Amino acid sequence: IAGITQAPTSQILAAGRRMTLRCTQDMRHNAMYWYRQDLGLGLRLIHYSNTAGTTGKGEVPDGYSVSRANTDDFPLTLASAVPSQTSVYFCASSDTGGPKNGELFFGEGSRLTVL
Amino acid sequence: QQQVKQSPQSLIVQKGGIPIINCAYENTAFDYFPWYQQFPGKGPALLIAIRPDVSEKKEGRFTISFNKSAKQFSLHIMDSQPGDSATYFCAASPLGNTPLVFGKGTRLSVIA
Repeated sequence: IAGITQAPTSQILAAGRRMTLRCTQDMRHNAMYWYRQDLGLGLRLIHYSNTAGTTGKGEVPDGYSVSRANTDDFPLTLASAVPSQTSVYFCASSDTGGPKNGELFFGEGSRLTVL
Repeated sequence: QQQVKQSPQSLIVQKGGIPIINCAYENTAFDYFPWYQQFPGKGPALLIAIRPDVSEKKEGRFTISFNKSAKQFSLHIMDSQPGDSATYFCAASPLGNTPLVFGKGTRLSVIA
């Protein structure tokens, strides 16, 4: 079982370019999340989706957009990347109605550098 | 506004020591308090979690202590080992579909 798959693993991007980080899960979890991790700031929620077809804003949503067309995929798009979006991005999922209600399963992360 | 405050930011202990990491929260609607462990280059993974109906929970060498009246909870690692060196995050959320809010993390180093 792969769990959460994120792509790319790392990317260097010129400022102003559009970038989509991909996230796929094979656990049929209803909820999915995008966090960014920055030194000294911990994990901050960007966007989330409680179920396919719905999305919500987290703590730091500006400059990012998401879509949830189906259960398994939750891409994160940076429409016009800026250097402050340099970070490590983690996708996660959870089965909020199941026996492990609340447990987040994380991917391995996507390291993004915006120059 | 930081909803979950975690301290210390970093911690160095000798092998066999008992590192303690503390977290405090303000939102009384929080009723789920997990700790996540993250090794370099990996995503965080659930270590142990507690709900406010108990004051302590143990899983192996890891213990959560919970003080509802003080709105604080802490992680204790008994007989710490170099393999426990990692970043630890506390988190909190209300039950249901509200996402977890994480603390800023504690980088633990256990030296032999």
